[in-house]
Amino acid sequence: AQKVTQAQTEISVVEKEDVTLDCVYETRDTTYYLFWYKQPPSGELVFLIRRNSFDEQNEISGRYSWNFQKSTSSFNFTITASQVVDSAVYFCALIGNQFYFGTGTSLTVIP
Amino acid sequence: DTEVTQTPKHLVMGMTNKKSLKCEQHMGHRAMYWYKQKAKKPPELMFVYSYEKLSINESVPSRFSPECPNSSLLNLHLHALQPEDSALYLCASSKVGFVETQYFGPGTRLLVL
Repeated sequence: AQKVTQAQTEISVVEKEDVTLDCVYETRDTTYYLFWYKQPPSGELVFLIRRNSFDEQNEISGRYSWNFQKSTSSFNFTITASQVVDSAVYFCALIGNQFYFGTGTSLTVIP
Repeated sequence: DTEVTQTPKHLVMGMTNKKSLKCEQHMGHRAMYWYKQKAKKPPELMFVYSYEKLSINESVPSRFSPECPNSSLLNLHLHALQPEDSALYLCASSKVGFVETQYFGPGTRLLVL
């Protein structure tokens, strides 16, 4: 069975704090892909990152960074120096033979 | 350009109405998707079109009828909907198949009265 767990339902941080969003997945596929999407209140899902199962390199893009660890089946997302514009729901997703979204983490950044 | 457009942005319809949602992309993508998203829930896949052919139907009720007239356009025809069908309907596209990155449109917020 495939599954994506985002245990943090809601997180609030004060602006400029760092915040990490957790994502744990289960899959029996040897080849799979992991994604993070951002959904601001406007509703559009914004693609952030795609990572395949053979590439465990961590990635940094500006204030965003991702830590992929196959040993713990985790693909965590860190926002450094958070800003109010980061307030959104963040979804982790897995594609193996199907597409699975996690339940999302609602992040509120307080000015 | 990674833009997927959807019209209308908002739609209110009665249970006896017939309406259509439209989705368009000009990225040359050959896979297009419809998702339904209820409040505070993740998107749920409804349909997948690959090269203009329906490849996945996630057991969606027949009151939802998808159509892909060409590689850039995807429609969702709605008929005799129920109030529980009220949701955000998201369209997405990807280069070819499922494993490619999906780019989403802004969605249509549907209210069924």
